[in-house]
Amino acid sequence: GENVEQHPSTLSVQEGDSAVIKCTYSDSASNYFPWYKQELGKRPQLIIDIRSNVGEKKDQRIAVTLNKTAKHFSLHITETQPEDSAVYFCAVQVAGNTPLVFGKGTRLSVIA
Amino acid sequence: SAVISQKPSRDICQRGTSLTIQCQVDSQVTMMFWYRQQPGQSLTLIATANQGSEATYESGFVIDKFPISRPNLTFSTLTVSNMSPEDSSIYLCSVEGSSYNEQFFGPGTRLTVL
Repeated sequence: GENVEQHPSTLSVQEGDSAVIKCTYSDSASNYFPWYKQELGKRPQLIIDIRSNVGEKKDQRIAVTLNKTAKHFSLHITETQPEDSAVYFCAVQVAGNTPLVFGKGTRLSVIA
Repeated sequence: SAVISQKPSRDICQRGTSLTIQCQVDSQVTMMFWYRQQPGQSLTLIATANQGSEATYESGFVIDKFPISRPNLTFSTLTVSNMSPEDSSIYLCSVEGSSYNEQFFGPGTRLTVL
């Protein structure tokens, strides 16, 4: 089955700096790659996603890039703010209406 | 996005008992997914619930321990049976929204087993 690896497990950055989290996956048939943000005690929230026919997608300060050949995708957060502090999960899906396979998560701390 | 509610939001249970968790969605969905999130860990799929058929369980999860019902297209239940402290986790249901692929999560049920 699909295997998703996520790095780093923890990341500390100064406010205003950029943060990058990377995930690799094993199943070349995977075609949907979402990122979730989970604040303490809350549900995972979808923050951005990308499909396999796109190489990059941006939404204000966050962006996701996908390299299908190398089977990896990354989350980029620019101009980080303290409210960006949370656990971020990448996930992979092979087809619609099928379960997501999650990475182990990255705990991001933004230091003011 | 779909609006998903879960009941109960949290519970503290004694070992050996069972707890049924409810998941309600504000629109009809084909598939509902149940995940477990152990403390400080990622999300692990327990099973996929399709209305009108038996749930499909992932390796390591069995129907006797985690029976699932899916009586209609907006509702599902997950029961955690014969609980032990190792079952202490957050249990989340999720569904795919109106936009293809996008999946959304319920608020979760925080279960503590003593």
